[in-house]
Amino acid sequence: GAGVSQSPSNKVTEKGKDVELRCDPISGHTALYWYRQRLGQGLEFLIYFQGNSAPDKSGLPSDRFSAERTGESVSTLTIQRTQQEDSAVYLCASSVDVGGTGANVLTFGAGSRLTVL
Amino acid sequence: AQKITQTQPGMFVQEKEAVTLDCTYDTSDPSYGLFWYKQPSSGEMIFLIYQGSYDQQNATEGRYSLNFQKARKSANLVISASQLGDSAMYFCAMREPSNDYKLSFGAGTTVTVRA
Repeated sequence: GAGVSQSPSNKVTEKGKDVELRCDPISGHTALYWYRQRLGQGLEFLIYFQGNSAPDKSGLPSDRFSAERTGESVSTLTIQRTQQEDSAVYLCASSVDVGGTGANVLTFGAGSRLTVL
Repeated sequence: AQKITQTQPGMFVQEKEAVTLDCTYDTSDPSYGLFWYKQPSSGEMIFLIYQGSYDQQNATEGRYSLNFQKARKSANLVISASQLGDSAMYFCAMREPSNDYKLSFGAGTTVTVRA
């Protein structure tokens, strides 16, 4: 597709359930990010995939959070045993990594809004 | 430590006037990149402008310009001739080698343009 696609766009779940959020990056984009945005807040880095390198998981808030990426395509963010504080919009972004600190513009998806009751 | 600081949580600006959004950053890397993104109420993130640390001139893109003051570690966004459609949240962001080139965002500034 032309843009970054995320699904589901909205997810309401009960506390304690597991959820999976999916991201389809733009074809050819080697870099993929997940961010979390709580209501009215900034973007909190979660995880970063770059090509075949080991992912940077330094932003994952707890071991309930995990993410996978298949090659340079789809990524899945999984939250196990969801808690109310996990309620947020989860944004995925991808880019062609031009290397270094160049104009590596991220294209964002529309986000997945997660509500944990 | 906070890498990107945006001290203005919210601002009001009159239509057709200019507005300056503050951004200061903290890095010890000589090479880094600075970005501004816009997030309207619909939620999508829109790239506005980029400034490289070695760029000699301030970046400009249409009505957006970046007032880059390297010694002060400041990268303020200037929006000229504000339009109602400029009402949104604006985020400053930075990439730096010591942070593995990850894009780190500030807390954002909400701009409301009044008719």
